[in-house]
Amino acid sequence: DGGITQSPKYLFRKEGQNVTLSCEQNLNHDAMYWYRQDPGQGLRLIYYSQIVNDFQKGDIAEGYSVSREKKESFPLTVTSAQKNPTAFYLCAIGRGGSSNQPQHFGDGTRLSIL
Amino acid sequence: AQSVTQPDIHITVSEGASLELRCNYSYGATPYLFWYVQSPGQGLQLLLKYFSGDTLVQGIKGFEAEFKRSQSSFNLRKPSVHWSDAAEYFCAVGAGNNDMRFGAGTRLTVKP
Repeated sequence: DGGITQSPKYLFRKEGQNVTLSCEQNLNHDAMYWYRQDPGQGLRLIYYSQIVNDFQKGDIAEGYSVSREKKESFPLTVTSAQKNPTAFYLCAIGRGGSSNQPQHFGDGTRLSIL
Repeated sequence: AQSVTQPDIHITVSEGASLELRCNYSYGATPYLFWYVQSPGQGLQLLLKYFSGDTLVQGIKGFEAEFKRSQSSFNLRKPSVHWSDAAEYFCAVGAGNNDMRFGAGTRLTVKP
């Protein structure tokens, strides 16, 4: 989606390693989200943030961490505590507030274990 | 809490045939409903949305969806499928608290 950049497209993690996935937006949206996608399970919310310096846990936050130091950026760190990190990770943005506003998605990062 | 069910994991249709993808939701109040499409290795693209008003909503790429409160459904339709429509389709429901729930998805295969 235009205005949302996820990098890298592919990422490999070694045992015991933390890795960070980048999500940047230039659409001036307040809310940003991280989802994990596994085959046959749809999207599951990891973390979300509605304003700078604030974020909330989603349904599957264990083993992940985030920061929101700038409005444009919402990086996700997959820590060594996440024992099954292989998945497709999607970042989304939204206008925040009520969820009658649709979310818009980046092109995703595929994370695999080495 | 709200939830979404997409009963069909995989559907195959012939090119030119009509398409209907099913979506059922569970939510006590009037939900906000969305359909997204995902091509392999890509993010999700919004096809259409329903907030209120006319229960038949038109979207991009010739898709439409109908909200039926009595059946708790929001099925996606297209009169004539093109080979480029092959993708995975996700129904989602929002509940007014920044919480959006996605169905597990329906994979569409288009036969020549």
